[in-house]
Formats: sequence, structure tokens, C-alpha cells
Amino acid sequence: DTAVSQTPKYLVTQMGNDKSIKCEQNLGHDTMYWYKQDSKKFLKIMFSYNNKELIINETVPNRFSPKSPDKAHLNLHINSLELGDSAVYFCASSQELNRVEGETQYFGPGTRLLVL
Amino acid sequence: AQTVTQSQPEMSVQEAETVTLSCTYDTSESDYYLFWYKQPPSRQMILVIRQEAYKQQNATENRFSVNFQKAAKSFSLKISDSQLGDAAMYFCAYRSRRTSGSRLTFGEGTQLTVNP
Repeated sequence: DTAVSQTPKYLVTQMGNDKSIKCEQNLGHDTMYWYKQDSKKFLKIMFSYNNKELIINETVPNRFSPKSPDKAHLNLHINSLELGDSAVYFCASSQELNRVEGETQYFGPGTRLLVL
Repeated sequence: AQTVTQSQPEMSVQEAETVTLSCTYDTSESDYYLFWYKQPPSRQMILVIRQEAYKQQNATENRFSVNFQKAAKSFSLKISDSQLGDAAMYFCAYRSRRTSGSRLTFGEGTQLTVNP
């Protein structure tokens, strides 16, 4: 009964490869996010989708492309991986206009990506 | 743009003692949320406590409480009766209520060590 799940948890790959990270939430939330945590543990937003519509698209290279097939899923595809893409990527979800929960974002377990 | 600052990169506390983690933020908005998240070595992001800016009463969750000073833009976390399981990285985060799908803006984090 995991609330926000991500696959895979670990991803080791070579420079130049293309990879995807999948995220699913079973909380019935309407908004999903991708965050990147760098080697210094700093967390920064990458993308946000509300009801499958892109809301936030931070200054992220075009090599990163989010895809939301439905409200419960938000996948992250990365083309031509570079060494600097090595980080932990977190998916999160929230329910908008929910004063009870304070629109709290719930996080997945993270995907540690290592580019060699 | 909003910013969140945690001025204590590291803190330590003796088991059963009390510790306070500091957080300040900068915003021109009046309606927002503030959060404390905990990230243990498992790297899972766990919500600790949430505060809504329009509520004057400080939030509490069991051994965790906050001191929310809206005018001073300060949001500190107090952990009472510290336990070994409290050892983790703690992140302060800000979220606007102004727009849908608002991002969390995180501080740099405070690494808390609990000594037996």
C-alpha cells in the first residue's frame, strides 16, 4: 500500500545513454512533481504537473522530458545522460486546494542515478 | 522569489534532551505553508510537521513543535526528548498558496546527530 512509488531505486548507466524513471501515486492526488537532490543534498524543483498539465518547468536541460499519461503517473525521461546528471531524483504528489492536508507534498523513496 | 535559509549545517543533541533547529525565509506573500521534512539515511523524505501562515497557533506533533514568528519570518523546529531515531537531515520548506502546483522551496538542511 505504498503511497508514492518510484522505479528503479538505483540506476547506474554510461554517459550518452537514455533512461527513464517511473513514478506512481495511489493517493488520488491531482498534482505531481519531480525534484532533484544534488551531491550536497540540496533539493530543487524540476517539473510539476496538475491534472496531466505541465505547470512548472524549471530551468532544466531539454534532455529531461516529463510525461504524465494520467493523474496517477509522472515519468521522467532523460536523453544523452551526462556526468552532472548524477543525483537523487524524487517524485512527489499533492492534492491542490486541500486545506485539511495543507496541500502537503508526499515523496517517493527516490531514485539514485549514477552516470559513469 | 522565495528563499529559505537554515543557518546550522550540523547540530547534535544528547538522547532525551531537547534541540531546536532554526529556519528563516523570505517572501512578500501573506498566505503560504511551511514544512519540516526529515531525511534519514534511507533517503526517504518524511513530513515532520506543517504550519499554515494564517494560523497564529504553533503546530505540534507529539515530540515535535514549531515556533512560528510570521513578522520575523522565522520557523524553528523543537524536538523534545530526542531519540536515536531522530538522527537525520532536516529540511525546512516553503510553499506558496498563490498558484496551483506550487513548488516546495527548501533550505540547505541541518544534519542532526543524536548521541546516546
